[in-house]
Amino acid sequence: QITLKESGPTLVKPTQTLTLTCTFSGFSLSTSGVGVGWIRQPPGKALEWLALIYWDDDKRYSPSLKSRLTITKDTSKNQVVLTVTNMDPVDTATYYCAHSRITMIRGVSYFDYWGQGTLVTVSS
Amino acid sequence: QSALTQPASVSGSPGQSITISCTGTSSDVGGYNFVSWYQQHPGKAPKLMIYDVGNRPSGVSDRFSGSKSGNTASLTISGLQAEDEADYYCNSYTSSGTQVFGGGTKLTVL
Repeated sequence: QITLKESGPTLVKPTQTLTLTCTFSGFSLSTSGVGVGWIRQPPGKALEWLALIYWDDDKRYSPSLKSRLTITKDTSKNQVVLTVTNMDPVDTATYYCAHSRITMIRGVSYFDYWGQGTLVTVSS
Repeated sequence: QSALTQPASVSGSPGQSITISCTGTSSDVGGYNFVSWYQQHPGKAPKLMIYDVGNRPSGVSDRFSGSKSGNTASLTISGLQAEDEADYYCNSYTSSGTQVFGGGTKLTVL
């Protein structure tokens, strides 16, 4: 049974760096083909694809946010961490982590298991 | 990369069929057969409904089907049921090696 859960601060101030942790079970990030991604959703708005990390440490970032995002993994702890620098009120959103099913093409991600999401508010 | 274009809302009566469109460019939808669709009920995480344009994950009803023509992908739901009322998002692989979501479509079952 695959489960994922996001954790981190619920409130950050503008210009601060956000660090979110995704702790998962039921699969290993050392298994060939496996990936874990981050997606966010501002209140009442659409989903936005942020980043993806593969079992072999290949990383993909949204071009529009690439300069502010870093995704890393700790295979021994079954965790994936996303950092977002220079937070702004427009970054207020529910942040989801999700498991990507194995695909034939690197960079293609289909998220078949999702965490519950964590709402992060950016305000002074 | 810009978000894919979806209608803001669609509606249909129980038993009817509806189609949601998702328009992109030759750098995403039109260039690859890597389109997926997600269903999201209020306050819940999204659920994968379609991948690789027209494939259904195990457990997803065959009332859901996907297709693509040119730069536009489509999700069709047949035999509409009350439980299908939700937001639907398309997603596509892009030439930058990443993914992009659509703006979302709210489906109302009348």
